[in-house]
Amino acid sequence: NAGVTQTPKFQVLKTGQSMTLQCAQDMNHEYMSWYRQDPGMGLRLIHYSVGAGITDQGEVPNGYNVSRSTTEDFPLRLLSAAPSQTSVYFCASSYRPAGGTDTQYFGPGTRLTVL
Amino acid sequence: GDSVTQMEGPVTLSEEAFLTINCTYTATGYPSLFWYVQYPGEGLQLLLKATKADDKGSNKGFEATYRKETTSFHLEKGSVQVSDSAVYFCALSSGGYQKVTFGTGTKLQVIP
Repeated sequence: NAGVTQTPKFQVLKTGQSMTLQCAQDMNHEYMSWYRQDPGMGLRLIHYSVGAGITDQGEVPNGYNVSRSTTEDFPLRLLSAAPSQTSVYFCASSYRPAGGTDTQYFGPGTRLTVL
Repeated sequence: GDSVTQMEGPVTLSEEAFLTINCTYTATGYPSLFWYVQYPGEGLQLLLKATKADDKGSNKGFEATYRKETTSFHLEKGSVQVSDSAVYFCALSSGGYQKVTFGTGTKLQVIP
């Protein structure tokens, strides 16, 4: 199993550009999440999904869109990048809810810089 | 709302020293508590967890006990190694299962 994979590893954007961060998992997990990690702030939940076709907002959803057309993939879209979105982005998945008894698996992250 | 407070780092220890990283929390209901570890350049990995009061989570020599009376979940290890150098995150989940609240992380550096 590859686990949770994310592409790209690094990305530099200009203000106003759009892009999609890719996330895929091969563990048949129903639950997937996107987090951003900023210095001094830990990880904050952006959006999450509890199954194909079902998504919901987390703590900091503004400026981001998600969709979940398949169990495996959970892309994160930045519609119009802003410098405040400079961060490291992590995708995570679990078979059952992340806060329950199950283990949440994280991808290696995407480091995004917006100029 | 839910929150997690953990000691600021960095924490620098010599190899074989005793480690404690403090974590306290505020939560509605009865949360599950977690410690995650992030090695340089990698994503987070679950280190240990506890789901009810007085439970002790343990893994790789690390331990943490769920203390409801003091709302704490301190991470301990009796003898750290250089390979334990990483950032450690305390986290909790209560109510909405998919919403995990993380602390700000504590960087640990172990020197030979």
